[in-house]
Parts: sequence; C-alpha cells; structure tokens
Amino acid sequence: NAGVTQTPKFQVLKTGQSMTLQCAQDMNHEYMSWYRQDPGMGLRLIHYSVGAGITDQGEVPNGYNVSRSTTEDFPLRLLSAAPSQTSVYFCASSRASGSYNEQFFGPGTRLTVL
Amino acid sequence: GENVEQHPSTLSVQEGDSAVIKCTYSDSASNYFPWYKQELGKGPQLIIDIRSNVGEKKDQRIAVTLNKTAKHFSLHITETQPEDSAVYFCAAWDNDMRFGAGTRLTVKP
Repeated sequence: NAGVTQTPKFQVLKTGQSMTLQCAQDMNHEYMSWYRQDPGMGLRLIHYSVGAGITDQGEVPNGYNVSRSTTEDFPLRLLSAAPSQTSVYFCASSRASGSYNEQFFGPGTRLTVL
Repeated sequence: GENVEQHPSTLSVQEGDSAVIKCTYSDSASNYFPWYKQELGKGPQLIIDIRSNVGEKKDQRIAVTLNKTAKHFSLHITETQPEDSAVYFCAAWDNDMRFGAGTRLTVKP
C-alpha cells in the first residue's frame, strides 16, 4: 500500500491564482480530511469527508473547497489564493469517522502565495 | 469547540534522560487522545493514544497518562535517544480532531 499520497510537494502561487492540491489513499478509508500547519499553531482542520459524496467544514474552511466523488480521492481547491494561505497542507485518512480511529497522514504540500 | 493547549513548546534533554510533554483540553466530551510524532519534512505519525476510560497506557519507552477530572494528559518518554528528536503533537477528539501547537524535542547525544 502506498498509504496517503499528496501532490505536488511544493507549489508557489501568485495572489489570485487558483490551484488544486491532490490527495489519494489506497486503504479503502471512509474518512478523509485536510489540515493546514502553521508555525506555533499545530494542525487546524479545513474540511473533512465521512464518505464519498459527503463533505463538511472544519475549523478554518474559508477560501477552500473540497469534493469527494470517489472513496480514494479528496482534492482541496483554492479558488483565489491569498498570502494568508501560505502554509503546509496535510491530507489524512482513517478507517471511519469518530474517535479511536488512527489517522494516517500524507507527506504534505508546502504552498507559498506571493 | 475544543481547545487544546500544549507545553512546553521546546524541550531539550540529554540522551538517556526522560521527557514529559503536557496538554490540557477544554471540552469534557472529548474521549480520545492521540499523540503524534512529526519528523522533519514528513507528516505526523501516531505513536500512542488513550481512550477516556483509561488512565494510563504504556508502549515500551512511551507512556501516556490521562486525568479526566483535571482535563489534562501527558506524554512520557523514558531513556530518550537521539532518534526521538522530533516535533510531538497532542490531540483531542470530540466531533473532530483538535491539535495542540506542538513541542520540539531535542535529545542531545
């Protein structure tokens, strides 16, 4: 199993540009989520999905969109990038939603918005 | 929503010494408390977790304790080794996962 994969590893955008961060998992996990990691702030939940066709907002959803058309893929879209979205983004998956389910993280995407 | 506070933000110990990282949480409904280790350039990886109906859990050199009344939990690493150097995050699960800000642990050989 490849686990959780993310592409790209690095990305530089100009303010106002759009892009999609890709996330895929091959463990047949129902629950997938996106976090951003900023210095001194830990990881903050952006959006999550409890299964194909179902998404919901997390702690910091503004400026981001998600969709879940398949169990495997959970892309994160930035429609109009802003410097405040400069961060490291992590995708994670777990067997199911709810507590007691280990979350597996991808290697991250480092995004810089100029 | 849940708020998780973690301290210290940095911790430096000599190889062989013990390291303790502490976290507090605000929502008494939280029932699952994992700890993650993040090495440079990688995603966080689960190292140990504890459920709210358990007070302590050990896995070799790593242990976690939970005090539900005081709403705090701690990570204990004994006989530290240089490869333990990393950033450690605590987290609490209520309706979703909330993370602490992280502790950068450095183990000096």
